[in-house]
Amino acid sequence: SQQGEEDPQALSIQEGENATMNCSYKTSINNLQWYRQNSGRGLVHLILIRSNEREKHSGRLRVTLDTSKKSSSLLITASRAADTASYFCATAPGGGNKLTFGTGTQLKVEL
Amino acid sequence: NAGVTQTPKFRVLKTGQSMTLLCAQDMNHEYMYWYRQDPGMGLRLIHYSVGEGTTAKGEVPDGYNVSRLKKQNFLLGLESAAPSQTSVYFCASSQDRGSNQPQHFGDGTRLSIL
Repeated sequence: SQQGEEDPQALSIQEGENATMNCSYKTSINNLQWYRQNSGRGLVHLILIRSNEREKHSGRLRVTLDTSKKSSSLLITASRAADTASYFCATAPGGGNKLTFGTGTQLKVEL
Repeated sequence: NAGVTQTPKFRVLKTGQSMTLLCAQDMNHEYMYWYRQDPGMGLRLIHYSVGEGTTAKGEVPDGYNVSRLKKQNFLLGLESAAPSQTSVYFCASSQDRGSNQPQHFGDGTRLSIL
């Protein structure tokens, strides 16, 4: 079963717009990670946010975490065509060895 | 910087054949993982290793075996391939356990079982 579920499943925006995708999870976590996957490639780690953090930034990325709602959001500001990819959240229930990935949000940024 | 390298990149097998997928990492990471990715299913963990000589089962281990004889290599074996094992297989590694550290992924092996 999936620990994390992303929403929406697919998102299409124009270059320069902001893109927001959400992740909900089921059990308590120590941290939550976001990954990007370009077509035909492996996943690339974007950002890790710990359970005691509410917000974290990395370049054009902003991640929030609400442990009371068991949810996280990833905001990409001023999107570019190169941001076209699938985005996954990942958690490890109970802080164990194993990450569980959601089914991803497919983002398409059009020129 | 090679990172995580998977061999081969593509393979077509017939039902019942066997094969081994190789994963090599040059980051001296302790932890290594094998996932499969199917449409609409996200990534599912097959097996993982917390260090040289160790292996453990993940979410979907049936039909697969693994070995970690050397720290840098993690092998995934299919003893008798079945069409249900058609998938994209990803290897990943991390310095510490996957919940605390980023995982570094290879670019995958696309496997078709006919």
